[in-house]
Amino acid sequence: DAGVTQSPTHLIKTRGQHVTLRCSPISGHKSVSWYQQVLGQGPQFIFQYYEKEERGRGNFPDRFSARQFPNYSSELNVNALLLGDSALYLCASSWGTGMNTEAFFGQGTRLTVV
Amino acid sequence: KNEVEQSPQNLTAQEGEFITINCSYSVGISALHWLQQHPGGGIVSLFMLSSGKKKHGRLIATINIQEKHSSLHITASHPRDSAVYICAVRFGRSTDKLIFGTGTRLQVFP
Repeated sequence: DAGVTQSPTHLIKTRGQHVTLRCSPISGHKSVSWYQQVLGQGPQFIFQYYEKEERGRGNFPDRFSARQFPNYSSELNVNALLLGDSALYLCASSWGTGMNTEAFFGQGTRLTVV
Repeated sequence: KNEVEQSPQNLTAQEGEFITINCSYSVGISALHWLQQHPGGGIVSLFMLSSGKKKHGRLIATINIQEKHSSLHITASHPRDSAVYICAVRFGRSTDKLIFGTGTRLQVFP
C-alpha cells in the first residue's frame, strides 16, 4: 500500500505568486492535516479536514486555504507568497479523528520563495 | 499556553550507547507521538502513546501522565539511528491538531 504522497517534492516560486500543494492520503484514511515546518523549528499546524469539512485551523493568515475532495485527497493553496512562506509543508493522514487515531506523514513539499 | 519541550536539543553518542530523549508538556493530553525525521524532511511515526510503555525493536517509549513527561529510549544505538526525534502531543479529544516540540538532533558515531 502506498503511504501518504505529496506533490511536488520541491518547488521554487517568486514573491507574490500563488502555489498549490497536493496530498493523497493512505487509502481508507478520511482525515488530512497540513503542517508548515520552517527550517530549524518543529512543524506548525495549518489545517485539518475530515470528510471534506474543515475541522481545525491554525494561526495562519487568510492567504492560506485548503480543501478536501470526495476521494479524500487535499490541496493547500497559498496566495501572495512571501519570503517567510519558504518551508517544508507536511501532510498527515489518519483513518478518522479523535484521540486514538495515529497520524501518518508524507515526505513533504519543500517550497522556496525567492 | 499549550507547550511541548524536549531535551536535549542535540545529542551525540558512540555506537552501542543507550540513548534517552525527554519530552515534557504543560497540560493534560489525549495522546503523545514520537516521530523520526531524517534529512530531506519525511517524518516517520514511531509510537503513539496515551499511557504506559511501548516497545518496538530497539526503541522504547514511556509516558507518565501524572508528571506530564515522556521518554524515548534507544538501546544499542547505531549510526543509522542518526536523525531528528520529535515529540508531538494532541491536547484535545476531538481534534487531531498536533503540537510539536522543536526536536532532538541525534548523531551516533561508529
